[in-house]
Amino acid sequence: GNSVTQMEGPVTLSEEAFLTINCTYTATGYPSLFWYVQYPGEGLQLLLKATKADDKGSNKGFEATYRKETTSFHLEKGSVQVSDSAVYFCALNSAPGAQKLVFGQGTRLTINP
Amino acid sequence: SQTIHQWPATLVQPVGSPLSLECTVEGTSNPNLYWYRQAAGRGLQLLFYSVGIGQISSEVPQNLSASRPQDRQFILSSKKLLLSDSGFYLCAWSVPGMNRYNEQFFGPGTRLTVL
Repeated sequence: GNSVTQMEGPVTLSEEAFLTINCTYTATGYPSLFWYVQYPGEGLQLLLKATKADDKGSNKGFEATYRKETTSFHLEKGSVQVSDSAVYFCALNSAPGAQKLVFGQGTRLTINP
Repeated sequence: SQTIHQWPATLVQPVGSPLSLECTVEGTSNPNLYWYRQAAGRGLQLLFYSVGIGQISSEVPQNLSASRPQDRQFILSSKKLLLSDSGFYLCAWSVPGMNRYNEQFFGPGTRLTVL
């Protein structure tokens, strides 16, 4: 079946550090891939997405490239800020039906000033 | 533009009491609707989804149920709450149709504590 595996957290970095959160997937066919962010006490917000191989999604300084050869969609940011502290979820959608997303377990990120 | 509402925002209920959480979507027609639960420190678990009025699919057997009485209204219910029902409940919607490209849009969530 389809699955998403994220690097285990929590991840703690200093402000302006480089961020990578790893995400790998298993899926049949050609899934679409997503990164969502959840700030404390809130719902999830879509951060970026990619719908085909070699696509790069980007938003708010974050980037992720759809790598079919390594079945990966790693999230990166060159210089993190305290306001980036949140839980990040990688997800995929490959079902031809009701668009059910398969989520990773989430990675908690804390940025210290 | 589309918006999604959930209420209540927080809820504290005793074990064995009933539950009703409501989700409504504005600005779109015939959306796909979803209920998720997020236990403390855990990932998201899809509970139910619906592609139309009266059409409910259950992902996980449990003492919860869902209903869709109107096109843009999705309700999560229980007749008797368990301690294990505590968590953060998220409603989401996506554009109608069977398209793998589209993302889901999430509501602000309801934090449920069962004592």
